Amino acid sequence: DTEVTQTPKHLVMGMTNKKSLKCEQHMGHRAMYWYKQKAKKPPELMFVYSYEKLSINESVPSRFSPECPNSSLLNLHLHALQPEDSALYLCASSQGGGGLATDTQYFGPGTRLTVL
Amino acid sequence: AQKVTQAQTEISVVEKEDVTLDCVYETRDTTYYLFWYKQPPSGELVFLIRRNSFDEQNEISGRYSWNFQKSTSSFNFTITASQVVDSAVYFCALSFRRRDMRFGAGTRLTVKP
Repeated sequence: DTEVTQTPKHLVMGMTNKKSLKCEQHMGHRAMYWYKQKAKKPPELMFVYSYEKLSINESVPSRFSPECPNSSLLNLHLHALQPEDSALYLCASSQGGGGLATDTQYFGPGTRLTVL
Repeated sequence: AQKVTQAQTEISVVEKEDVTLDCVYETRDTTYYLFWYKQPPSGELVFLIRRNSFDEQNEISGRYSWNFQKSTSSFNFTITASQVVDSAVYFCALSFRRRDMRFGAGTRLTVKP
């Protein structure tokens, strides 16, 4: 089973709202990722968690705040977003927690976020 | 520089035609991994294949086949006897030292009945 689930599927929020995206995997994977994908563009890496610790932050604005409560869960807290943050947000997980990029990343279906 | 180039932005074929999606990569690393993902309109990225830099063996999986050539830094993907369900955006990606991947721009494949 290579399933990564994400909720909600769609989210519409105002610029003053606070919301959270949720990602879950039960494959025992030790690395989890957040990507942002704008329309007709490839995914762009935002954050990487390895063994529940933040290991990579690709200079993402602080209005995006990741959290990894346990090895199966990954959240992305959103606050004071801008309309240009509207995108598909994809979560992924991979098996190992080591330093080399040896593992396949398995992606969830994404959350389509619209910021008004 | 680590870079993936998918020069074909869009391809349109008629069902049952064979189609090849091109992928050219650049990296200074000797150890790296190449991937292909499919993204149907639903949005989920579906893993298709992973190949490491030391394994140049071509791979066939049903109607899908991959041709990895280090000499030309290419990792091309062929769909034989295409079907409407193959319509999607296909991404080639390069993964190296860190835990991230560099995606190509993607190729949108449309298979018409």
